Amino acid sequence: EVHLVESGGGLVQPGRSLRLSCEASGFIFDDYAMHWVRQAPGKGLEWVSSINWNSVSINYADSVKGRFTISRDNAKNSLYLQMNSLRPEDTAFYFCAKEGRGGVDYWGQGTLVTVSS
Amino acid sequence: DIQMTQSPSTLSASVGDRVTITCRATQSISSWLAWYQQKPGKAPKLLIYKASSLEGGVPSRFSGSGSGTEFTLTISSLQPDDFATYYCQQYNTYSWTFGQGTKVEIK
Repeated sequence: EVHLVESGGGLVQPGRSLRLSCEASGFIFDDYAMHWVRQAPGKGLEWVSSINWNSVSINYADSVKGRFTISRDNAKNSLYLQMNSLRPEDTAFYFCAKEGRGGVDYWGQGTLVTVSS
Repeated sequence: DIQMTQSPSTLSASVGDRVTITCRATQSISSWLAWYQQKPGKAPKLLIYKASSLEGGVPSRFSGSGSGTEFTLTISSLQPDDFATYYCQQYNTYSWTFGQGTKVEIK
């Protein structure tokens, strides 16, 4: 059974940094592209970033480009999101997501990031 | 970037109703479209991929159609478990985008 477990969320001041992690199990991690998707409380879904299986192809939403860095460690079955220069508008639940045959076929439970002074 | 627009934003319906949600893209995305269902406090669940392919385990009352710029999600007979928010999402480009969501409420 596929499991994606995020960690690293919390309360952080504007301008500071935070690193999210996602531990994957139940599938061959290095066979799949992975994504981060976020959702501000009470709002819709926003795609944040993606990384292909070997980290060669990496993409970001314009809203986070230059501030966030996605990475993965296939030996540890783990996905990461380094978030720098955080802004109040980055406040959201951050979901780790596995790409399937089309779109996301498995999601983590989400970790809440709150950016506030 | 490709923008996705869903209509309606909110839909009131009764159990047994046929429900249709529309999703429009600002440029052609071929059939590279997915539909998700999300309930409060939960992660989204994939229903449909490649515009019309039903994800495993999803009830057959859900169906998707369309190509190019216009797509629909249809629930043939609304069930109590279907009251939720639905999102479309394009994956035609490396920069994915979601629609704003359609909330299906009890009438």
